[in-house]
Amino acid sequence: EPEVTQTPSHQVTQMGQEVILRCVPISNHLYFYWYRQILGQKVEFLVSFYNNEISEKSEIFDDQFSVERPDGSNFTLKIRSTKLEDSAMYFCASSAGGNTEAFFGQGTRLTVV
Amino acid sequence: AQRVTQPEKLLSVFKGAPVELKCNYSYSGSPELFWYVQYSRQRLQLLLRHISRESIKGFTADLNKGETSFHLKKPFAQEEDSAMYYCALSVAGGYNKLIFGAGTRLAVHP
Repeated sequence: EPEVTQTPSHQVTQMGQEVILRCVPISNHLYFYWYRQILGQKVEFLVSFYNNEISEKSEIFDDQFSVERPDGSNFTLKIRSTKLEDSAMYFCASSAGGNTEAFFGQGTRLTVV
Repeated sequence: AQRVTQPEKLLSVFKGAPVELKCNYSYSGSPELFWYVQYSRQRLQLLLRHISRESIKGFTADLNKGETSFHLKKPFAQEEDSAMYYCALSVAGGYNKLIFGAGTRLAVHP
């Protein structure tokens, strides 16, 4: 069964450093998403991406964040200058349509020290 | 404002007991609601969605618009049901953006 794959599973970075989280969505999916979950808190929507552009973003997704689909298979989330409060589990998801099931990756745990 | 509330952080039951995980939502439009489950060390996966009206692994959930609720129920809990359960709301035209509740951990004891 096809799966959304995220790498790395755990990333430790120093405050102020740039970090790129990588995702390989399911191959025939058209909609891509990033969510995050700070420890002990709820899963929060960050951004959705369709047709090579951001379709919606939350207030969390400020200028420090960007997303890219650099080739036909990867979907990346970049945090330009990480802060301690960016420490969280980041989930990538993809769906075939705008109103179809979203499939989640296993998550990348980002720890900013 | 769009919001999903799961009032219980932990629900602990014995095997064979009925289970009800509560979910209430706040949304002025026509909601689409989901239950996602996360078993230990596994990814979030869709358990059921209200429009399909299915029963998955013995779980059912009915959308009650009057009470703005979408409680998840199972008549007889099994140990393998132990997991984290998240209720989620998708807003109309929201490109499948999901608004999650805080989650309820279900622990089923032998």
